[in-house]
Amino acid sequence: SQQGEEDPQALSIQEGENATMNCSYKTSINNLQWYRQNSGRGLVHLILIRSNEREKHSGRLRVTLDTSKKSSSLLITASRAADTASYFCATATFFTPSSSARQLTFGSGTQLTVLP
Amino acid sequence: DGGITQSPKYLFRKEGQNVTLSCEQNLNHDAMYWYRQDPGQGLRLIYYSQIVNDFQKGDIAEGYSVSREKKESFPLTVTSAQKNPTAFYLCASSIGSGDQFFGPGTRLTVL
Repeated sequence: SQQGEEDPQALSIQEGENATMNCSYKTSINNLQWYRQNSGRGLVHLILIRSNEREKHSGRLRVTLDTSKKSSSLLITASRAADTASYFCATATFFTPSSSARQLTFGSGTQLTVLP
Repeated sequence: DGGITQSPKYLFRKEGQNVTLSCEQNLNHDAMYWYRQDPGQGLRLIYYSQIVNDFQKGDIAEGYSVSREKKESFPLTVTSAQKNPTAFYLCASSIGSGDQFFGPGTRLTVL
């Protein structure tokens, strides 16, 4: 089942502007991760925020997490044409209490287009 | 180069045929995963394996099978029982509960 749902589904901005994408989820999580996917390619991990964190930065990326609202946002500042891609949030939970691996449940993504 | 590879990049299948997608990693990761992605959608988990010789069904395992005879390899077979197999298939691996690293994907088309 799809747990994370991104909003908006598509976003088009001019180079230099900021892009904000939102993600909502339904159940308790261990952490939430954001991934990027260029068309027809694999996923690239961008940033992870743990359930006890509220904000995290990495370069031009800023992620927030509000566990009371079960939502997260990804902000890309000073966007570039090369940022054009699909962005996915994924919530991570352990498969079982004794499992060593986490299950990632992905949303349907936001397609970001940055116009030069 | 360390990484995770998938082959082939493109695969065409006739209806009723089984096909096997390859996934290999040299990252010494214990866990491996197979996902399916349909156009405009996120990834859905097909199967996962936490250690060699062990694997579990994910959310959409029907019509698929896997094996994990070696730590480095986690092949996925799309059987004729999978009614709508045309999709983009992504393999991933991780050290336990760590970040998942994704391969470049295989695009399967049923003719």
